[in-house]
Amino acid sequence: DAKTTQPPSMDCAEGRAANLPCNHSTISGNEYVYWYRQIHSQGPQYIIHGLKNNETNEMASLIITEDRKSSTLILPHATLRDTAVYYCIVRVGTNTGNQFYFGTGTSLTVIP
Amino acid sequence: EAGVVQSPRYKIIEKKQPVAFWCNPISGHNTLYWYRQNLGQGPELLIRYENEEAVDDSQLPKDRFSAERLKGVDSTLKIQPAELGDSAVYLCASSFQQGFHEQFFGPGTRLTVL
Repeated sequence: DAKTTQPPSMDCAEGRAANLPCNHSTISGNEYVYWYRQIHSQGPQYIIHGLKNNETNEMASLIITEDRKSSTLILPHATLRDTAVYYCIVRVGTNTGNQFYFGTGTSLTVIP
Repeated sequence: EAGVVQSPRYKIIEKKQPVAFWCNPISGHNTLYWYRQNLGQGPELLIRYENEEAVDDSQLPKDRFSAERLKGVDSTLKIQPAELGDSAVYLCASSFQQGFHEQFFGPGTRLTVL
């Protein structure tokens, strides 16, 4: 029961910014948006998360729209090592705690 | 610091056979998760442990799947008997505590059921 919608694939030229969109139109007010990526044959790796405000760390920036129904992950200078599947995730609170709902992700290919 | 360790990395079995996966989380992490990832899909939670207690196993097919986390450290996920549809990657993840923002994933065990 994925709560996010992402394009299945994207290409980006090496050195350029990669902008990965995500729709989460049913998100509730206290649910966080997370981004993870998964390089082939590895486990997912945390990138960034946010609730309402835009966030930036050493890996990426997260832009969340004011209505919180969509967000964009920005990799400012994509490298070949950024080729991976990127998952936009909504963390939902349940009666047993918080749960991540992964979608099918966006396969990003960085082209030399 | 070592990451989450899983073994084996690959397992091929015939249907109806049992299989077990082992996970050693990052030292000091109280919360442990088992996920299943089907081909082309994102991971889906099977079970979550807080120390020794399974606090969320609602997605675990209990007729054939079982898990344990003795002493609140290592964990084992078992399937008995395996079916063709169980072919997937089984991922283990850990976090310092439930609600902590970052989950650290292991490399996974790729199971093929013939």
